[in-house]
Amino acid sequence: GDSVTQMEGPVTLSEEAFLTINCTYTATGYPSLFWYVQYPGEGLQLLLKATKADDKGSNKGFEATYRKETTSFHLEKGSVQVSDSAVYFCALRLSGAGSYQLTFGKGTKLSVIP
Amino acid sequence: DTGVSQNPRHKITKRGQNVTFRCDPISEHNRLYWYRQTLGQGPEFLTYFQNEAQLEKSRLLSDRFSAERPKGSFSTLEIQRTEQGDSAMYLCASSLDLYPYEQYFGPGTRLTVT
Repeated sequence: GDSVTQMEGPVTLSEEAFLTINCTYTATGYPSLFWYVQYPGEGLQLLLKATKADDKGSNKGFEATYRKETTSFHLEKGSVQVSDSAVYFCALRLSGAGSYQLTFGKGTKLSVIP
Repeated sequence: DTGVSQNPRHKITKRGQNVTFRCDPISEHNRLYWYRQTLGQGPEFLTYFQNEAQLEKSRLLSDRFSAERPKGSFSTLEIQRTEQGDSAMYLCASSLDLYPYEQYFGPGTRLTVT
């Protein structure tokens, strides 16, 4: 079945450091890929998405590129801020009719220290 | 444009009691989804609606769980005869009926079964 694997956290970085959170997936066809962020005490917010191979999603300085050959969708940011401290979830939605549910990874907690 | 809202935000109940949660989606969204999230895990799909029709149910949705969306607007999720294993965050999301069906989440209802 389909699945998403994220790097285990927690990840602790100093402010202005480079961030990479790895995400790989298993799925048939060409799923749509998403990153969600969950700030403390809040619901999940859609951060970015990509729907086909080589697409790059970007938002708020975060980027992720859909790599079909490596089945990956790694999240990157060039310079993190304390306000980026949150839990990040990678998710996929299978392609094809009738497939609307999201399959999530376990999440990666990021802590950014001043 | 208001986001997805959920009520109550927190619910504490005793084992064996019934509980009901409500979700109000974004007004123009005709797809509505329920997920369950336990500590340290990503959300897991429970069920979804297109308008008032419940189109898919996960095997996680035991007979004690029932969801409705009677007029294609708000939805309710009821758990009968709650068990301690039902303790979790219950998340609601909604989307347009439009590819790639981006899902927007509410803040969740945290259920604690004592």
